[in-house]
Amino acid sequence: NAGVTQTPKFQVLKTGQSMTLQCAQDMNHEYMSWYRQDPGMGLRLIHYSVGAGITDQGEVPNGYNVSRSTTEDFPLRLLSAAPSQTSVYFCASSYRAYTGELFFGEGSRLTVL
Amino acid sequence: GIQVEQSPPDLILQEGANSTLRCNFSDSVNNLQWFHQNPWGQLINLFYIPSGTKQNGRLSATTVATERYSLLYISSSQTTDSGVYFCAASGYSTLTFGKGTMLLVSP
Repeated sequence: NAGVTQTPKFQVLKTGQSMTLQCAQDMNHEYMSWYRQDPGMGLRLIHYSVGAGITDQGEVPNGYNVSRSTTEDFPLRLLSAAPSQTSVYFCASSYRAYTGELFFGEGSRLTVL
Repeated sequence: GIQVEQSPPDLILQEGANSTLRCNFSDSVNNLQWFHQNPWGQLINLFYIPSGTKQNGRLSATTVATERYSLLYISSSQTTDSGVYFCAASGYSTLTFGKGTMLLVSP
């Protein structure tokens, strides 16, 4: 049981490049989400999904795209990276949307030059 | 949405001391969780506690939902307790995180 797995752990991009952060969970969790963590800002929700085929925007969705074609996977796409997207990104999942315990991946540190 | 405020923002303890971290929230909740982010950045779920009291070893938590606060108690602190403690709360919606309490336990 691997839990929540994120890849890559580290990435450096140039402004304007695109990339995808991968997130997979093997716990049959209904709910998956992406957060970004910046100094002094805590954790802010980017996008979330309450089940396969369903996604919704969180607090800071601009510049990011998501899809949920399977229960297990929830990739986060940066379409045209900007320096403001330099951050640590966390994927998290829970068994039930809104009321379940949230489990986090190990994080992905992204630097945009 | 719900506002979540944590106090104190920073805390320095000597090993063996006890501490209490507080989380205030602005509305009724059906989900409240405490997390520990260790110095390597990992976020670990400590308690799922929308109401009542729970204990896990040296850590315990109490949520008084009617008064809109939750407390995390750390007893006999150890250097491995260092890190940032986050509280997160929601009504029937996505979790809102507080800005955290940074704890440093010195030997």
